[in-house]
Amino acid sequence: RKEVEQDPGPFNVPEGATVAFNCTYSNSASQSFFWYRQDCRKEPKLLMSVYSSGNEDGRFTAQLNRASQYISLLIRDSKLSDSATYLCVVRGYSGNTGKLIFGQGTTLQVKP
Amino acid sequence: DAEITQSPRHKITETGRQVTLACHQTWNHNNMFWYRQDLGHGLRLIHYSYGVQDTNKGEVSDGYSVSRSNTEDLPLTLESAASSQTSVYFCASSSDRQDTQYFGPGTRLTVL
Repeated sequence: RKEVEQDPGPFNVPEGATVAFNCTYSNSASQSFFWYRQDCRKEPKLLMSVYSSGNEDGRFTAQLNRASQYISLLIRDSKLSDSATYLCVVRGYSGNTGKLIFGQGTTLQVKP
Repeated sequence: DAEITQSPRHKITETGRQVTLACHQTWNHNNMFWYRQDLGHGLRLIHYSYGVQDTNKGEVSDGYSVSRSNTEDLPLTLESAASSQTSVYFCASSSDRQDTQYFGPGTRLTVL
């Protein structure tokens, strides 16, 4: 079983739609959680961190369920520019390691 | 502006040759990382460094080596390139172990 699992998609949605991505992680000792965005053939960039209380950044909402070891990303009012691959990322097992574990990514295509 | 660069951006080489990929950052970050990205696997950690003269093996380190002689650079060497090492390679850096990692633009390596 992969340490971080995501549905690879692709998710094809019309502009204005709401879309949700899910991610599960296997190690209950994982400490920090993130969503990165990666455009085609480009480097990954941090989209947002995920906090236990849930957090929102504009049209994006991230949630964490530690009991179920589950992370989600909700995108409201999808734009064409949201088309990208979204990477679920988990940091560390214990201690101050700084190592990130990446899911294989979920691809989103927003259509006009 | 501070940045992280990789060179070359594209490289074609032959099986058995030694190849070195360069990574240079101007943020004065202590931590630097090398990842490879392949379809179906997401990003996987190859080697990482928490400071000058410090290097550590990641998840997929076989066939790769790094050295850290200064803060700015972490070159990745493929001792004897194999076709299985055809991939996109990303370098990343962060200021401390819990901080956001910033990625370089990537090097696309093909081993024939």
